[in-house]
Formats: sequence, C-alpha cells, structure tokens
Amino acid sequence: GIQVEQSPPDLILQEGANSTLRCNFSDSVNNLQWFHQNPWGQLINLFYIPSGTKQNGRLSATTVATERYSLLYISSSQTTDSGVYFCAVYTGGGNKLTFGTGTQLKVEL
Amino acid sequence: GAVVSQHPSWVICKSGTSVKIECRSLDFQATTMFWYRQFPKQSLMLMATSNEGSKATYEQGVEKDKFLINHASLTLSTLTVTSAHPEDSSFYICSARRLSEQFFGPGTRLTVL
Repeated sequence: GIQVEQSPPDLILQEGANSTLRCNFSDSVNNLQWFHQNPWGQLINLFYIPSGTKQNGRLSATTVATERYSLLYISSSQTTDSGVYFCAVYTGGGNKLTFGTGTQLKVEL
Repeated sequence: GAVVSQHPSWVICKSGTSVKIECRSLDFQATTMFWYRQFPKQSLMLMATSNEGSKATYEQGVEKDKFLINHASLTLSTLTVTSAHPEDSSFYICSARRLSEQFFGPGTRLTVL
C-alpha cells in the first residue's frame, strides 16, 4: 500500500516562530487533507488540497502532486497550535484515507 | 457546518463485555462513514468503511465478528466491540464523508479492565 511519511516527527518552537511541516507520499493520490489533532484527540480539518496553494489565516499549504509531497506552513506560532499534525491521502478510488506518521508540535512561551 | 459527534467520550468496561459506540453526523447526511483506531503516540488506522443500507467493508486484519458495524440511517453509524479484552483498549474515532471530504468525531477512549 501507499506510504505516507511526515517530517520532522517532533518539533519544539518558541511562540512567534514560523515552521514548515512536510508530507511525502509514495504513489499518486486522488486528494490530500491536513489535520490538527488537539491534546484532547479531536481532529480538526485544516486543508483539503489536491494541488496548488491555499491559505487560511496564519496557516497555508502547498501540494505538488506530480512530485508527491505537500507542505504545511505555520507562521507566528501560538501555544494553541500545539498538538499533532497529520497529512492524509485519498486512495482506493478516492474513498479511503491513509494517514501519515504525524508531526508532534509543541509551542512554548 | 460538518459536525460529527460520538458517544460516549470514554468508557471503561470489564473483560468479556460488549461496548457500543455511536457516531452521528449532526448537520449533514452521510452515506459513508469510517471507523479508525489510534494507539498512543501512533497514527490513525482505518478499520472499516460503513455504508448506509449495506454491509461494512473491513480492512485486512480487522475481525468483522469482533467489531460489528451498523449504518442504520444517513446520520448514524454504530461500532460494537464484542467480548472486549484489554488489547482492545484504544482510542476509536469515526468520520463521515461530506462530498469528497471527511470530517471527524471527537473520539471514544475505551479501556477494558
């Protein structure tokens, strides 16, 4: 099956810093989503992004499907950004989601 | 929009008992829902795809007789863990598909003693 690798696995930032999270996938995909899992376990949809670039406030994402990677940018990080960030790709005819390995982010004061 | 709820949020049960978890799409209809399992410090693993009005499709290695799925309506899917054992302790998360995108419930933490 498809492999979805994220880097870095862990990241510690000072509040106000910027960061880039990467998601590499081993095969062609129908679509891709980025999620933030908060400390209580809730998955929050960030982006639904098969290709190109999208922005939402301090977050933006870019997917280059032909090169099989996606990037999530976090600017001016805040403590509430802490948690695990997952990318997930759609396969199996566009129905199934395969999750990446995750990036654990901690933002400190 | 696109809110998904789960009930209960957490449950503790004795070994050998069965536990039912409900997943509801609150503001949209979902013909397809999904059930995932997440162990501590790990990613989410798809267990099964639940289709309204038909049998669920299970991923390889998931015991369909142990994890019973019923998608009785366009807004409700249930997962029943039968004869639960300590190794079934985990965080169970459902999602519902709206158009092409999946939206996730808050999860159910199951502890089997």
